Amino acid sequence: EIVMTQSPATLSVSPGERATLSCRASQSVSADLAWYQQKPGQAPRLLIYGESTRATGIPARFSGSGSGTQFTLTISSLQSEDVAVYYCQQYNHWPPSFGGGTKVEIK
Amino acid sequence: EVQLVQSGAVVKKPGESLKISCMGSGYSFPTYWIAWVRHMPGKGLEWMGIIYPDDSDTRYSPSFRGQVTISADKSVSTAYLQWSSLKASDTAMYYCARGVGPNYSYQYWGQGTLVTVSS
Repeated sequence: EIVMTQSPATLSVSPGERATLSCRASQSVSADLAWYQQKPGQAPRLLIYGESTRATGIPARFSGSGSGTQFTLTISSLQSEDVAVYYCQQYNHWPPSFGGGTKVEIK
Repeated sequence: EVQLVQSGAVVKKPGESLKISCMGSGYSFPTYWIAWVRHMPGKGLEWMGIIYPDDSDTRYSPSFRGQVTISADKSVSTAYLQWSSLKASDTAMYYCARGVGPNYSYQYWGQGTLVTVSS
C-alpha cells in the first residue's frame, strides 16, 4: 500500500496570508492525486483532482501542484472559512490511500 | 442533484452485528462505484473498499478484507456496509462516496454514519 505523508500536522496562518501544505507519496503516483477539505462535523469536500484540477465550485485561491511523489496544496490568501483539516489521496495504486491530514488554523 | 444519504447513528455492543446504508439519488446509481471510508476519532481517513452496484463487483483494502462486507441493491439504489461481530475498535464515522471508477477521487460524499461500539 502506498503511504501518503502530510506535513506539517498543524499550520497556523494569518488571514490573507499564503498557506502551503505538503503531501509525499512513498512511491510515484503520477498525477493521480486529490486534495480534500474537511470541516468539523462535515463530510470531506473534494478540492483538487488530477494533482491540479479544481473541482466544481472551488475558489481560485486553492491550487494544487507537483507530480510523482511530492505534491503541494496552496491557499493563496487564507480566509476564516478555510479553517479545516486537509487530506491528500492517491488513486494511482491499489488500494487508494489517504494522508494523515494537515490542520489549518488562523493565527 | 446528486445525493448520498446515509442511515443514522447507532450504538451497539461488542459482538453484535450491524448493517449501515447509503442511498444514492439524482443519478444512475448502478453505473457509479460506491466506496466506504472510515474516520476514527482523531485519526485520518481510511479507504475500506468499493462496489459497482450494477454487477456487485466488490474490492476491499487488504486492511479491511474479512472484517466487513460491502454489498448493494441496485433496485433500491442503496449500498451497504456490514459487520458480523463488532469490536470497540470499530467505533468511528463511516462515509460512503461516489467514484467514476474503482480507483478514483470522490466528488460526492454521504453525510456520514457514526457507529459507537461500547459495552
